[in-house]
Amino acid sequence: QKEVEQNSGPLSVPEGAIASLNCTYSDRGSQSFFWYRQYSGKSPELIMSIYSNGDKEDGRFTAQLNKASQYVSLLIRDSQPSDSATYLCAVNSLYNNNDMRFGAGTRLTVKP
Amino acid sequence: DGGITQSPKYLFRKEGQNVTLSCEQNLNHDAMYWYRQDPGQGLRLIYYSQIVNDFQKGDIAEGYSVSREKKESFPLTVTSAQKNPTAFYLCASSMPGQRKLFFGSGTQLSVL
Repeated sequence: QKEVEQNSGPLSVPEGAIASLNCTYSDRGSQSFFWYRQYSGKSPELIMSIYSNGDKEDGRFTAQLNKASQYVSLLIRDSQPSDSATYLCAVNSLYNNNDMRFGAGTRLTVKP
Repeated sequence: DGGITQSPKYLFRKEGQNVTLSCEQNLNHDAMYWYRQDPGQGLRLIYYSQIVNDFQKGDIAEGYSVSREKKESFPLTVTSAQKNPTAFYLCASSMPGQRKLFFGSGTQLSVL
């Protein structure tokens, strides 16, 4: 079982729709959760972090965390073509604060 | 502007050759990291360093070496022992106690 799992996609949504990206993790003691956006050939860029159960909103982005079910999700409202990228879920290792575990990423395409 | 600079952007390695990837940061961050990214896979940790003159192996350290002689610099050497070096290499840094990673622009390493 992979430590951090994401659907690889591609996920395709029309412009203006809500994109929903999901991530599950295996380490029940994980404390910190992150979503990174990575454009093709570029480096990852942090867009959201969440540390406690519930929702966290930042502009068009909402991160949702459910530790009991071991999943974290990212919702992108009013999706734009510029949101087309690969979204990486990252989970901070319980055993080593310096070790971030990444999922393989979900490729999102927003069609005009 | 503060940031992380990786060079070169593209690098080619011949059979049996060692190559060194450069990573320099002027963010005054203590912790620095090297990740490897293969197509369709998440980032995997090669090495990390929390302070000068100290570094720790990550999950896939075999065939790689690092040094941390200065706070600003964390070069990665891909040795001839690394039989499958073709990948996108990302350097990152973070502040102490913070888990947010700042990434460089990456180096694409290929084998001739």
